Amino acid sequence: AQSVTQPDIHITVSEGASLELRCNYSYGATPYLFWYVQSPGQGLQLLLKYFSGDTLVQGIKGFEAEFKRSQSSFNLRKPSVHWSDAAEYFCAVGDNNAGNMLTFGGGTRLMVKP
Amino acid sequence: EAGVAQSPRYKIIEKRQSVAFWCNPISGHATLYWYQQILGQGPKLLIQFQNNGVVDDSQLPKDRFSAERLKGVDSTLKIQPAKLEDSAVYLCASSFHRASNNEQFFGPGTRLTVL
Repeated sequence: AQSVTQPDIHITVSEGASLELRCNYSYGATPYLFWYVQSPGQGLQLLLKYFSGDTLVQGIKGFEAEFKRSQSSFNLRKPSVHWSDAAEYFCAVGDNNAGNMLTFGGGTRLMVKP
Repeated sequence: EAGVAQSPRYKIIEKRQSVAFWCNPISGHATLYWYQQILGQGPKLLIQFQNNGVVDDSQLPKDRFSAERLKGVDSTLKIQPAKLEDSAVYLCASSFHRASNNEQFFGPGTRLTVL
């Protein structure tokens, strides 16, 4: 069965600093990978996704993520964090044999210091 | 384009009571999902519909949870009777179809508190 681990429950960064959120997955084949963001009281919004091809994917709001098969990782990065980026971030893996079913990690809560 | 609508946004009930949540997906989306998100955890898929048929409900506690999508558009998730551990946010999502590269669009969720 597939699984996703987000090792960092909370991360605090200063505004303007760089950010990296970690995600490790377990899946038997080539995974479909996603990053979602959830602001308080809101649903999840897709930041970016990886299906195949270039292992560095660009998303919305200046985010990018890199798929590393050898490390089973799909870490999310942003070069300069804004206060509005404070939210909860979820990594997910899709089962491409089971019709768009997603398994989510436990999430990382990002706090941004002024 | 209107997003996924859910109601109510908040619900407080006592254990052993019943509750129902409603979801209206994005127009034209054939696939609808219900997720349960317990505080401090990621969402967990409960059930997936393709039009009015169930694709997967393997993680739905069928002794107390039920869901339907009778006309293949909006959907209702019911809990009867509720337990304390059902306190969570219930998220509805939809996608154009169930191929794995289809983006799922999420509604704002219904926050359920069971006392």
